[in-house]
Amino acid sequence: GEDVEQSLFLSVREGDSSVINCTYTDSSSTYLYWYKQEPGAGLQLLTYIFSNMDMKQDQRLTVLLNKKDKHLSLRIADTQTGDSAIYFCAESGGSNYKLTFGKGTLLTVNP
Amino acid sequence: DTGVSQDPRHKITKRGQNVTFRCDPISEHNRLYWYRQTLGQGPEFLTYFQNEAQLEKSRLLSDRFSAERPKGSFSTLEIQRTEQGDSAMYLCASSLGAGWGQETQYFGPGTRLLVL
Repeated sequence: GEDVEQSLFLSVREGDSSVINCTYTDSSSTYLYWYKQEPGAGLQLLTYIFSNMDMKQDQRLTVLLNKKDKHLSLRIADTQTGDSAIYFCAESGGSNYKLTFGKGTLLTVNP
Repeated sequence: DTGVSQDPRHKITKRGQNVTFRCDPISEHNRLYWYRQTLGQGPEFLTYFQNEAQLEKSRLLSDRFSAERPKGSFSTLEIQRTEQGDSAMYLCASSLGAGWGQETQYFGPGTRLLVL
């Protein structure tokens, strides 16, 4: 079945870049997503990448996809304290397009 | 704000009681999904609708759970005879459709359920 793995914790200093990594197993994934969740809140869509792309940039966010290794990363440039949250990687595929999520990476940004 | 809305945001109930949650998707979104998220985990798929038709149910969805989307707009998720293991955040998401970039899911704020 599908599986998505992420490292659980990342701590960075304000102003540094953050890189959150994710691996997935489903080779038929069509889209891969990054969502952000703040305490007690729902999921906010940050960005997504189609499986035939290898990079997507959106302001401070850069997504890199290595389809051969099934590895996805999210880079946040100039990380701010407001970026502190849990970041989820998710894949979707098949006719139902249901999302399969990793356990999330808790990003802590220290001033 | 025309995002996905969920009601109530929080629910505390006693074991054995029934609860019902409501989700209002983004207008004109045909697909509606329910997920459950427990502490320290990512959301897990429960079920989804294409318009009013419920097309798939996860094996996580026991017989005590039922979901409806009667007119293809809002949806309800009911849990009968709640158990402490049902305590979780219940998330609803909607998408415009399927394929061709329409499948991106937008999430509501969730309903946090605590069963005592």
